Amino acid sequence: DTGVSQDPRHKITKRGQNVTFRCDPISEHNRLYWYRQTLGQGPEFLTYFQNEAQLEKSRLLSDRFSAERPKGSFSTLEIQRTEQGDSAMYLCASRSDERGSPLHFGNGTRLTVT
Amino acid sequence: AQSVTQLDSHVSVSEGTPVLLRCNYSSSYSPSLFWYVQHPNKGLQLLLKYTSAATLVKGINGFEAEFKKSETSFHLTKPSAHMSDAAEYFCVVRGGSGGGADGLTFGKGTHLIIQP
Repeated sequence: DTGVSQDPRHKITKRGQNVTFRCDPISEHNRLYWYRQTLGQGPEFLTYFQNEAQLEKSRLLSDRFSAERPKGSFSTLEIQRTEQGDSAMYLCASRSDERGSPLHFGNGTRLTVT
Repeated sequence: AQSVTQLDSHVSVSEGTPVLLRCNYSSSYSPSLFWYVQHPNKGLQLLLKYTSAATLVKGINGFEAEFKKSETSFHLTKPSAHMSDAAEYFCVVRGGSGGGADGLTFGKGTHLIIQP
């Protein structure tokens, strides 16, 4: 069990650019989640997958955000035409389908939009 | 609908004294409850979980929590605080399928400060 891995750890980009983050979940976990966290706040749900199917997406999520999990393993989160308000920590988590199973989080990708 | 309330945004204790972080929840279903800790610039680490087995749950780093259905509470405690416990703590409830975010709701967090 190598844990949930996220890449990159830090990303600095200029406003208007596109960025893509990657998440590799724990290998036997079917469910994968993306959260956003700003300073001093708790994680805010963005979307989640069961295997390759995107089952839920936050209504707060802008159309500029898209996530994929094409083979049911790793996932990518893309933000198009970034804005300064997108600056945040983006957290990925995974868990098994077992009832009561906890989320296991990666260390996140910190995005700074200048 | 379910909700989680962490009653204190900040808690400050002296090193070596007990820690109490309070969490109340509401859920229409028999919930699963979790406590996570987050150190600066890190992801969230699971401290402990309750899933309808024993009501007193022991976790890592000497933390434990007691599920009290009558009080709808799941408070986190530790007998003796250590400097390394300084961090943000999140209470999380999962109240069954059909809720938003796969039924998971996060509290707003409690910032634990340890005084030397």
